[in-house]
Amino acid sequence: NAGVTQTPKFQVLKTGQSMTLQCAQDMNHEYMSWYRQDPGMGLRLIHYSVGAGITDQGEVPNGYNVSRSTTEDFPLRLLSAAPSQTSVYFCASTKSVPSGANVLTFGAGSRLTVL
Amino acid sequence: KQEVTQIPAALSVPEGENLVLNCSFTDSAIYNLQWFRQDPGKGLTSLLLIQSSQREQTSGRLNASLDKSSGRSTLYIAASQPGDSATYLCAGGGGATNKLIFGTGTLLAVQP
Repeated sequence: NAGVTQTPKFQVLKTGQSMTLQCAQDMNHEYMSWYRQDPGMGLRLIHYSVGAGITDQGEVPNGYNVSRSTTEDFPLRLLSAAPSQTSVYFCASTKSVPSGANVLTFGAGSRLTVL
Repeated sequence: KQEVTQIPAALSVPEGENLVLNCSFTDSAIYNLQWFRQDPGKGLTSLLLIQSSQREQTSGRLNASLDKSSGRSTLYIAASQPGDSATYLCAGGGGATNKLIFGTGTLLAVQP
């Protein structure tokens, strides 16, 4: 089925380790984004991209890097994981930008624990 | 800066009851207002989207309204069922900022 695919679903890291959360969509969506969800904080935007080669920061970008080399993929990199990055991460995409009639489609999430 | 608030944080109702979930936002210059459902351990599923030029949208037993002048949106669920139990989130923004801001959600429990 078409949609947004995130891998891995679960990951445990030690402080200082690096890793990449993968996100891929097969709907030819131009807009892709990463959110983190923490109890009592709601979903907060980390980074987003309005097309291949274009990325921008959201509300909480520190400690995360992104790139967008293709329309389909939008990986999120943690260069040196910290316990404060323990969270559930969601990738979401939409046709162009999240306005008008463009509905965000979410992946199933990646649960990250940093010890 | 857009801020989105949802009240109440949790709600428990008996099956069959009609209910209203509230969402308020601070910046009336939103491009759309979206309502999502999230089941435990799952991603978000879009329920309804109201564009800034619209006042309401309906899908089955769900009706969402948008009042930009008061900075409020409501999600009305008719004849609630146990299967409606989930967390409901609203999100506003988008447009030139490309940033959709989420509320913290309302955890709904429908008791059989």
